[in-house]
Amino acid sequence: GAGVSQTPSNKVTEKGKYVELRCDPISGHTALYWYRQSLGQGPEFLIYFQGTGAADDSGLPNDRFFAVRPEGSVSTLKIQRTERGDSAVYLCASSPGGRGANVLTFGAGSRLTVL
Amino acid sequence: GENVEQHPSTLSVQEGDSAVIKCTYSDSASNYFPWYKQELGKRPQLIIDIRSNVGEKKDQRIAVTLNKTAKHFSLHITETQPEDSAVYFCAADPGGTSYGKLTFGQGTILTVHP
Repeated sequence: GAGVSQTPSNKVTEKGKYVELRCDPISGHTALYWYRQSLGQGPEFLIYFQGTGAADDSGLPNDRFFAVRPEGSVSTLKIQRTERGDSAVYLCASSPGGRGANVLTFGAGSRLTVL
Repeated sequence: GENVEQHPSTLSVQEGDSAVIKCTYSDSASNYFPWYKQELGKRPQLIIDIRSNVGEKKDQRIAVTLNKTAKHFSLHITETQPEDSAVYFCAADPGGTSYGKLTFGQGTILTVHP
């Protein structure tokens, strides 16, 4: 697609529920990233995919968070047993890889609210 | 890990004035420094970036300078316009095997008064 697409744009859930957030990167971009942005803060790195594999998941806060990218394109961020502290905007970004590997294009984000 | 400090947290200028935002980083291995502009409720948008083999880069009214020795870099906006009002984030990328693993500063809220 023309840009990075994220769905849903808004998600309200109750504490303890399971949530999936989807990211559709720019066509042809091999690298995909998830970041989390809390109110008034800069984005924080969560996980990075190169192709289908997670190249770096050091930013995932705990084992309730998991992400997949099974076919090297669309990615899903999964959050189990949600907590109020998980409330934030989850941003996805993609990059072309190679020399432009770190030139990220961000999506509009999925705003998660845990009640 | 990398730590990026950004100042000031808020900046208010009159239209036509210049605005300068400064960032420092801690990891000397960092080699890529992008700046993002984020309007309320919108996505962060890359406005300019600089790599460690360059000291300065300009794009129309926007310029970025990098001092690797001092580990700081700055964003300069000249002839500011009301549409420049937004939150600006600096970031640093350590490269290596994790390209794109950016560490962001805390952001600067820029307000340009007409």
